[in-house]
Amino acid sequence: AQSVTQLDSQVPVFEEAPVELRCNYSSSVSVYLFWYVQYPNQGLQLLLKYLSGSTLVESINGFEAEFNKSQTSFHLRKPSVHISDTAEYFCAVSETGGFKTIFGAGTRLFVKA
Amino acid sequence: EAGVAQSPRYKIIEKRQSVAFWCNPISGHATLYWYQQILGQGPKLLIQFQNNGVVDDSQLPKDRFSAERLKGVDSTLKIQPAKLEDSAVYLCASSLVERVRGNEQFFGPGTRLTVL
Repeated sequence: AQSVTQLDSQVPVFEEAPVELRCNYSSSVSVYLFWYVQYPNQGLQLLLKYLSGSTLVESINGFEAEFNKSQTSFHLRKPSVHISDTAEYFCAVSETGGFKTIFGAGTRLFVKA
Repeated sequence: EAGVAQSPRYKIIEKRQSVAFWCNPISGHATLYWYQQILGQGPKLLIQFQNNGVVDDSQLPKDRFSAERLKGVDSTLKIQPAKLEDSAVYLCASSLVERVRGNEQFFGPGTRLTVL
C-alpha cells in the first residue's frame, strides 16, 4: 500500500528566504509524484509533477522538486519565497498503472514580511 | 476550458439532517473523485467513478453516505443522517484517463459543511 508523509505541518519563513517542504513516500511499485497547492479559500491546484525522465521538475512560479528514488523523497524547494506563496502544500503519490492517488497531510507555508 | 464546478459552496445543517452536494467535472474527463478534507488533514478519497461505474468506494461510510454519477457526467454526494464528525470540506475532482499524465486531477473549490 502507498503512503505519504509530510514531515512538517507548518513552516514559517521570512520573505525572500529559501524554503524546503519535505515529503517522503512508500510504495512497492514505481510511482508518479505530485505537489498540489491550496491557497486560502480555494481548491487544490497542481504545482508540479514527476512522471518520468529528469528527476528535477520545476513549476512556473519558481518552485522545484527532486525525485530521489533511493531516499523515497520528493522535497519541494524555492530559493526565495514571496508573501503570495503563503498556502498549504500537499504532496501526493500515484502508482504507475493505477488510478488511486494518496495525499499527505499537508504543510502550511507561512511567509512573513 | 471551464473548471470543475461544485455547489453549494457552504452549508450549515444540524446533526441528523440530510445534505447533498453537486459536482460537474471538466468536459471529457472520465474519472471523478469525491474527497473529504477535515481541517488540518489532507484530502481523503471517499469514492472514485470511472464514467458512471464505481472504481473505489472502500473509504465511503456507506451507512450514511451515498454517491451517484448520472450518465457519466455530473455527480451528487449525499449524507443522511449527518453527524458532527462530518464537518469538513468536500472536494470534487476530475481527471482524464491518461496514465502517461499520471492522472493529474483538477479540483473544484469545495463545499464547506458545518454540522451543528
